[in-house]
Amino acid sequence: KAGVTQTPRYLIKTRGQQVTLSCSPISGHRSVSWYQQTPGQGLQFLFEYFSETQRNKGNFPGRFSGRQFSNSRSEMNVSTLELGDSALYLCASSWAGASNQPQHFGDGTRLSIL
Amino acid sequence: DAKTTQPPSMDCAEGRAANLPCNHSTISGNEYVYWYRQIHSQGPQYIIHGLKNNETNEMASLIITEDRKSSTLILPHATLRDTAVYYCIVRVAWTSYDKVIFGPGTSLSVIP
Repeated sequence: KAGVTQTPRYLIKTRGQQVTLSCSPISGHRSVSWYQQTPGQGLQFLFEYFSETQRNKGNFPGRFSGRQFSNSRSEMNVSTLELGDSALYLCASSWAGASNQPQHFGDGTRLSIL
Repeated sequence: DAKTTQPPSMDCAEGRAANLPCNHSTISGNEYVYWYRQIHSQGPQYIIHGLKNNETNEMASLIITEDRKSSTLILPHATLRDTAVYYCIVRVAWTSYDKVIFGPGTSLSVIP
């Protein structure tokens, strides 16, 4: 079956703009999580959505927000972009049934801020 | 979630088995061991996970010591496409999160 799909793959924005990233989970997966990956900080958790509700949140400012739709697809929005927001943004989905089920990642959206 | 320790880098000859160790001495009884890998410019790829029994799938085998304080990921016949950073993660469940989920991992280089 199809994996996690993230669009777009690459994005270039300037400081102060806002951006919306999209994630389509694996069919049947109801949990979607977002991560930021940078060379210096590694992989950091942003937030997790389940059944259209944000269930967990990492330590990121309010400029980072997200939502999940009834078909489990999710979007992440970053407002007032800063240079430090340049990163690879990853989406991961899981079945959210048994607690030990692994997350499956997409290939990410590489966001560059000029 | 328990902290893990992995060697920063390893080499393996193509066609040979690659054995990647992971130390998780503070693991608790309900924490699972997960392995992922990341090839440059791609997202992390799930490999395998286990609780206390050894596990095998089409990609790899996972050997967990009896005291569960360490584990080894085995790629039985490494190919050049297995060159990647391998991450060992220990966690209770998918609902449990830390700020930094993955550590530095082990950079595996498969050599022709």
